[in-house]
Amino acid sequence: DTAVSQTPKYLVTQMGNDKSIKCEQNLGHDTMYWYKQDSKKFLKIMFSYNNKELIINETVPNRFSPKSPDKAHLNLHINSLELGDSAVYFCASSQEGSSDEQFFGPGTRLTVL
Amino acid sequence: AQKVTQAQTEISVVEKEDVTLDCVYETRDTTYYLFWYKQPPSGELVFLIRRNSFDEQNEISGRYSWNFQKSTSSFNFTITASQVVDSAVYFCALRRNAGGTSYGKLTFGQGTILTVHP
Repeated sequence: DTAVSQTPKYLVTQMGNDKSIKCEQNLGHDTMYWYKQDSKKFLKIMFSYNNKELIINETVPNRFSPKSPDKAHLNLHINSLELGDSAVYFCASSQEGSSDEQFFGPGTRLTVL
Repeated sequence: AQKVTQAQTEISVVEKEDVTLDCVYETRDTTYYLFWYKQPPSGELVFLIRRNSFDEQNEISGRYSWNFQKSTSSFNFTITASQVVDSAVYFCALRRNAGGTSYGKLTFGQGTILTVHP
């Protein structure tokens, strides 16, 4: 069974378009995250939600809007895509108060042309 | 502010050599967690180890071992008798123990690209 899943795995789109990436976890965790990995492999937190509430927003442009319909899902919508948005986006989940590691999804490779 | 530094950008070794990946961190917290993740060429992030700041015992798991030294803020990772399948990007990461709006957030180092040649 997949613990953290993301769709799509690959996304190729034109500049200016709007796109969404979906994430689901079946681990029963209450906290979910979005990380961005740039072309130099650097991983940086973008957002974190705990029980559907936004708790971390790391200076991400307003064009990025996360949405958490329930604690098992955290979607990422990106408006007016720019070339610099090309990256791999990872979703992750964990249980607040637990020392356990974060479980990562397989990643979504976004390419903006 | 929290920071993780992996000074080695790339390491290249020949199979069966031992290799150590360095990780140095900065934090003002007295309690925290340290992690190592592996990212193979397939791209997923694979959890390797978690270490609580209270526990300075070194750990060994098969060919992998970790040396945590709080006095030097280092959490180094050694692969003994490296194999081609060890070729990957390895990330060290730091997480706060509890509390505050940054709770749970992982701060990653820049990653070390390890290439093991046959």
